[in-house]
Amino acid sequence: QSALTQPPSASGSPGQSVTISCTGTRSDVGNYNYVSWYQQHPGKAPKLMIHEVTKRPSGVPDRFSGSKSGNTASLTVSGLQAEDEADYYCSSYADNNVLFGGGTKLTVL
Amino acid sequence: EVQLVESGGGLVQPGGSLRLSCAASGFTLRSYWMGWVRHAPGKGLEWVASITGDGSGEYYADSVRGRFSIARDNAKNSLYLQMNSLRAEDTAIYYCARDVPYSGWSFGCWGQGTLVTVSS
Repeated sequence: QSALTQPPSASGSPGQSVTISCTGTRSDVGNYNYVSWYQQHPGKAPKLMIHEVTKRPSGVPDRFSGSKSGNTASLTVSGLQAEDEADYYCSSYADNNVLFGGGTKLTVL
Repeated sequence: EVQLVESGGGLVQPGGSLRLSCAASGFTLRSYWMGWVRHAPGKGLEWVASITGDGSGEYYADSVRGRFSIARDNAKNSLYLQMNSLRAEDTAIYYCARDVPYSGWSFGCWGQGTLVTVSS
């Protein structure tokens, strides 16, 4: 199974909103409501931001939201802040397997 | 406080073996599925393996199946990854991670990672 497809980069100014896409197939993203999003700062471990497409773990700001349409999931970061600058990875469950996207580097201008 | 601490990484020659350990604290290990995820230099995250709470079920990525083995000892609050027949492409930071129950294998807590370098 191939990795999920993410844009390599995204950017926005403080206060703006930015959306990162994650495209899979009908065998993974399109077949399960099990998409997750992770934030990773340089040299740090990944942090779960969204699971099951739209659910935010405790402590994650509500500026982060997730959605899905067909085979494509999206992460939206509203009210961008400097500390949001990081790499973001999507993942999807797929038949006793987990697929990750290649990652998107989010730059806060 | 939930903590996951990996150890056992290092430099190994191609074809060699290495055993990673993950010490868990702050929660009841047997109540959670656990997994290993790796991050190769300049690449994205890659799921490696997962194991059920009681250790009865093991799941592997195609890239490591038959070479790697995941195990756990709930009495010792520990998770393991036995890596055999290592290849250069296995070079990565390996993270131990705790599953979010019933979430489709999402990982809610991560260790700090341990670096594995496969090189002659």
